[in-house]
Amino acid sequence: GAGVSQSPSNKVTEKGKDVELRCDPISGHTALYWYRQSLGQGLEFLIYFQGNSAPDKSGLPSDRFSAERTGGSVSTLTIQRTQQEDSAVYLCASSSGGLLNEQFFGPGTRLTVL
Amino acid sequence: AQKITQTQPGMFVQEKEAVTLDCTYDTSDPSYGLFWYKQPSSGEMIFLIYQGSYDQQNATEGRYSLNFQKARKSANLVISASQLGDSAMYFCAMSPLGSARQLTFGSGTQLTVLP
Repeated sequence: GAGVSQSPSNKVTEKGKDVELRCDPISGHTALYWYRQSLGQGLEFLIYFQGNSAPDKSGLPSDRFSAERTGGSVSTLTIQRTQQEDSAVYLCASSSGGLLNEQFFGPGTRLTVL
Repeated sequence: AQKITQTQPGMFVQEKEAVTLDCTYDTSDPSYGLFWYKQPSSGEMIFLIYQGSYDQQNATEGRYSLNFQKARKSANLVISASQLGDSAMYFCAMSPLGSARQLTFGSGTQLTVLP
């Protein structure tokens, strides 16, 4: 497809388990972003990747969160030892990194931690 | 640091009328971009319109226009001829220009279009 895709669309897990969320950006986009949206809230930045540069991890809420981007394309966000407060929708976006840097979002992964 | 403020948690508008959604911002960056996204109940974030801080003219995109007042640091979204399908959450966001940096989002405005 032409847009950003994310999988799974929904994930239910038990407290303490690890989860992996996947993002496939738009082909050719060099920048990839992860955001988190808690119920009824705005989007909170987590991490972004730009080309081969070191990622900006300044938004990650704790060391239980990590992300990687393989081959400059697909990205995986990993949450270790999940907590109930991690329940949220995790949104991925990509951009071409142009002057205005329009970001295009995927459909999100809804994570529920029981 | 950047900050986006949306002071209208909820707005109602009659179908076919125009509505303005407010957005004010604060930034220390000399150049920046301002964006509006729509999020329907299905959850996807749909890019609507953007405005560069250097643009002299207000951006327009179909029924959407951005009322950019740089001195007041405001970037209000105007939707003309509202449709029932416009009912959604609307987010204002910004990022510095010239770098692939993250968007800073406001808290959103829930717009309901009444038949």
